[in-house]
Amino acid sequence: GAGVSQSPSNKVTEKGKDVELRCDPISGHTALYWYRQSLGQGLEFLIYFQGNSAPDKSGLPSDRFSAERTGGSVSTLTIQRTQQEDSAVYLCASSLSGQPSYEQYFGPGTRLTVT
Amino acid sequence: AQKITQTQPGMFVQEKEAVTLDCTYDTSDPSYGLFWYKQPSSGEMIFLIYQGSYDQQNATEGRYSLNFQKARKSANLVISASQLGDSAMYFCAMRGIMNYGGSQGNLIFGKGTKLSVKP
Repeated sequence: GAGVSQSPSNKVTEKGKDVELRCDPISGHTALYWYRQSLGQGLEFLIYFQGNSAPDKSGLPSDRFSAERTGGSVSTLTIQRTQQEDSAVYLCASSLSGQPSYEQYFGPGTRLTVT
Repeated sequence: AQKITQTQPGMFVQEKEAVTLDCTYDTSDPSYGLFWYKQPSSGEMIFLIYQGSYDQQNATEGRYSLNFQKARKSANLVISASQLGDSAMYFCAMRGIMNYGGSQGNLIFGKGTKLSVKP
């Protein structure tokens, strides 16, 4: 079956511009996560959607970052007024449930470069 | 707060030999899950193995096994019979059910260990 897909795979943008990153989770997965991986670093949690509940935004680094999930499926991560420190790989993951025992399946990521 | 520590930035192993990647964790959560992921140079995160905090037996998945020592808060990954394709970054991660200093549901990752398999 289809895995998690993300688009675009690469994005180069100028400092100060807004960008939108898209994630299509695995069909039927109620939980969706966004992470950020900077060069040589582990993964940093950004935001978590579970079903129809209010999203957990505790990992968002600033108010320039926002995300939405429409119809419980596709999610869009928006970064406004991009800065060079936003350059990273943005990974989306989904899981069948938010319970601890369910593994998260990751997409291929979007590599964002802010020039 | 929840924390994952991987103390080996890089490891080398000879092809066909076994290797252990270390992982220790810290949490106040009474119930949690421990995961290992592999990230090849292509960048995609690949799930390898899961261990629940109340599981009595160590998890195994093919050539992967998890040496879970709850009292020591360690969850080391053992890869048997290493293959060239095992060369990658390996991340240990944890996920709890309670919101102790973090989000419920998201994974907390270590900084990873880069494994290189020599022919």
